Amino acid sequence: GQNIDQPTEMTATEGAIVQINCTYQTSGFNGLFWYQQHAGEAPTFLSYNVLDGLEEKGRFSSFLSRSKGYSYLLLKELQMKDSASYLCAVKDTNAGKSTFGDGTTLTVKP
Amino acid sequence: EPEVTQTPSHQVTQMGQEVILRCVPISNHLYFYWYRQILGQKVEFLVSFYNNEISEKSEIFDDQFSVERPDGSNFTLKIRSTKLEDSAMYFCASRAQGLNNNEQFFGPGTRLTVL
Repeated sequence: GQNIDQPTEMTATEGAIVQINCTYQTSGFNGLFWYQQHAGEAPTFLSYNVLDGLEEKGRFSSFLSRSKGYSYLLLKELQMKDSASYLCAVKDTNAGKSTFGDGTTLTVKP
Repeated sequence: EPEVTQTPSHQVTQMGQEVILRCVPISNHLYFYWYRQILGQKVEFLVSFYNNEISEKSEIFDDQFSVERPDGSNFTLKIRSTKLEDSAMYFCASRAQGLNNNEQFFGPGTRLTVL
């Protein structure tokens, strides 16, 4: 079966750094996505990791350890607009099927 | 900036009716997807489509569902006989060809309400 775990909610302060963890147990693995989803809107792509290690893109970084079934999304210099749900999704197959976690709702406070 | 568009933004239908949800992917993209998200729940993969055929589908995508690319621009999802539990937000997504092109661009979604 497919199982993706991430914390339900997190709170952080504007300007701070926050790390959102994701662990997965899936029958197949062809990469891991992080998406941002504001309430009532569509997901937007943040990152894709298929190899172990850290990928940095501006204020956002994503890390993957395939042996541990673990990823994290790191958000630096938090802004109020970063308040959103962050979705971890595993690409199960090469043909495109992805399994999503329930999402982590991040609240950034002043 | 090119974007994925979806119509209608909101569709209300009676149980048992057929609905067609429409999507216009980004013009040079070749991979297309449909997802759904029931209110308050996780995003769920429905189907992927490439080269005019289904690449993969989930357990949700049963015989009541079908997809079509009727022309060079539209990508549609049809639900033949809607059920109450089909009420959800339906997102279309597309991505460009290429091994390193994994970014999927999502449309704004169609909210389907089945009464």
